[in-house]
Amino acid sequence: GDSVTQMEGPVTLSEEAFLTINCTYTATGYPSLFWYVQYPGEGLQLLLKATKADDKGSNKGFEATYRKETTSFHLEKGSVQVSDSAVYFCALNQKAAGNKLTFGGGTRVLVKP
Amino acid sequence: EAQVTQNPRYLITVTGKKLTVTCSQNMNHEYMSWYRQDPGLGLRQIYYSMNVEVTDKGDVPEGYKVSRKEKRNFPLILESPSPNQTSLYFCASSLPHPSPLHFGNGTRLTVT
Repeated sequence: GDSVTQMEGPVTLSEEAFLTINCTYTATGYPSLFWYVQYPGEGLQLLLKATKADDKGSNKGFEATYRKETTSFHLEKGSVQVSDSAVYFCALNQKAAGNKLTFGGGTRVLVKP
Repeated sequence: EAQVTQNPRYLITVTGKKLTVTCSQNMNHEYMSWYRQDPGLGLRQIYYSMNVEVTDKGDVPEGYKVSRKEKRNFPLILESPSPNQTSLYFCASSLPHPSPLHFGNGTRLTVT
């Protein structure tokens, strides 16, 4: 079946540091790829998405590129802020099972001032 | 405001006492689903519904029931909760694939 693997956290950074969270996937066909973010006490919010190979998703300074050859969708941000502290989930989505998302285990990011 | 509303936010109960977690969305979405979140496992789909009166099992359906009598509501029912159902539960809705899911704020359930 489909699966998503992302680096375990927690990742602790200083403000203005560069952030990378690795994500790789296993799937049949051509899934869409997503990054969701979960702030404390809240539900998941869509951060960015890419629906086909070589697409780059971007939002709020975050970027990720859909790499079919390496089955990866790494999340990056050039200069993090304290407000970026959250749990980040990589996910894939296939056209089946009610638009089901298959999630990675989540990566907690803590940004210190 | 477009949203998915879950209730309650927190629930503590005892083994075997039936409970229902409600979920409602105001975006006229066809797709609704329930996930549970456990540390290190991410979120796993419990049940989903592609439209009114159409529901199906996800990856971890054991011990859960759902119903979809109206488009906006999708309650999750635990008829006889057990401690291994202690978890954080999320309801989500969306338009058809590949639309992103919209999540509620979660229900933290503890079964003692």
